[in-house]
Amino acid sequence: DAKTTQPPSMDCAEGRAANLPCNHSTISGNEYVYWYRQIHSQGPQYIIHGLKNNETNEMASLIITEDRKSSTLILPHATLRDTAVYYCIVRVFSGGTSYGKLTFGQGTILTVHP
Amino acid sequence: NAGVTQTPKFQVLKTGQSMTLQCAQDMNHEYMSWYRQDPGMGLRLIHYSVGAGITDQGEVPNGYNVSRSTTEDFPLRLLSAAPSQTSVYFCASKGRDTSPSGNTIYFGEGSWLTVV
Repeated sequence: DAKTTQPPSMDCAEGRAANLPCNHSTISGNEYVYWYRQIHSQGPQYIIHGLKNNETNEMASLIITEDRKSSTLILPHATLRDTAVYYCIVRVFSGGTSYGKLTFGQGTILTVHP
Repeated sequence: NAGVTQTPKFQVLKTGQSMTLQCAQDMNHEYMSWYRQDPGMGLRLIHYSVGAGITDQGEVPNGYNVSRSTTEDFPLRLLSAAPSQTSVYFCASKGRDTSPSGNTIYFGEGSWLTVV
């Protein structure tokens, strides 16, 4: 799986949009970008994923650059409960019976303040 | 439907002791894995399994053994505990990518292990 690079920490004011960047310059054509987050002392939680098109769900939006070498996770209206570590993961999507190991990097600590 | 269940939640071991962290899932997931998380660090993959009878090593496998005799269970064995294995351990499971929940990794609540 391709390696990812994320800033170690970011701050955001409550109610504002939080934009979390991820660099994955060695991504290959069949690899997807996944985002998870981990709230203190809990197991990580799935947020969103995408291949090349921008994606949106009830939690967040994912913007992937045209060359797919970087992406941005957007939390449109951050709340205090969004304070967590956010992980960007790049991996192959497999329709078969086997899939690659899931490797988490260091992640970005997002702190949402009042 | 309990999801991913880990036991015990807390454990203190003496150096050299052995123990097994239990993990069970009731979602018929093929993929299961164990991670450890040390203070201020991300999750590091210890071992994983893509189905019953199939296991493989992750980033930090030394000092740990796993087996997958059933789809439901994926125990992690510490053979001879060392202080460096003091950590929080998370078990996770995942269905096939093409299944309805295939993009979601389900994590257990964690097992806090201290080796003295």
